Amino acid sequence: DIQMTQSPSTLSASIGDRVTITCRASQSINSGLAWYQQKPGKAPKVLIYKASSLESGVPSSFSGSGSGTEFTLTISSLQPDDFATYYCQQYKTYPWTFGQGTKVEIK
Amino acid sequence: EVQLVESGGGLVQPGGSLRLSCAASGFTFSSYEMNWVRQAPGKGLEWVSYLSPGGTTYYADSVKGRFTISRDNAKNSLYLQMSSLRVEDTAVYYCARTVADIPFEYWGQGTLVTVSS
Repeated sequence: DIQMTQSPSTLSASIGDRVTITCRASQSINSGLAWYQQKPGKAPKVLIYKASSLESGVPSSFSGSGSGTEFTLTISSLQPDDFATYYCQQYKTYPWTFGQGTKVEIK
Repeated sequence: EVQLVESGGGLVQPGGSLRLSCAASGFTFSSYEMNWVRQAPGKGLEWVSYLSPGGTTYYADSVKGRFTISRDNAKNSLYLQMSSLRVEDTAVYYCARTVADIPFEYWGQGTLVTVSS
């Protein structure tokens, strides 16, 4: 199975900060990576797919990059609504696997 | 508007069985790939199972041989038959639709399964 490792596990940041979350795959997944945002008690919401494609309706402050084994999710200017947990997920090969999550907290 | 509504969760004893349902609306259900994803309390997300329109299935190793995914296109419904349940199967179970390059484009609100004696 492909292991997905996110860093950091927790991130403390302020409104307006630029935030970067890293996701590493245990083997190449080409561009088969998605990013999700989840708020407490809610279902996840897709932000990015195919490593860098922005889902319709998602603010342009979110961006994704990378290919192969290393990927990043960047929030260019953190807003109050962005405090949440973020997950990466590979869909190159079954079983599809998620990273362990990165919680973005208010500093 | 795409809607996915899960039901069927509840409390079950270890070794027991449960069937989850996901009622789909707002799209042509029969044409879409569907999945179950779960989240144990306070933990991360785990993909559980996939079903294509043509009947191809995939399962996580943790549930293979115990869970069965199925669909009834006439009822616009997705199912997850769970048997030989274990304490570690306790989780909120979500159904989620796949489209093109987006593995989980739409999600339901989830249904909680608790396995405990």
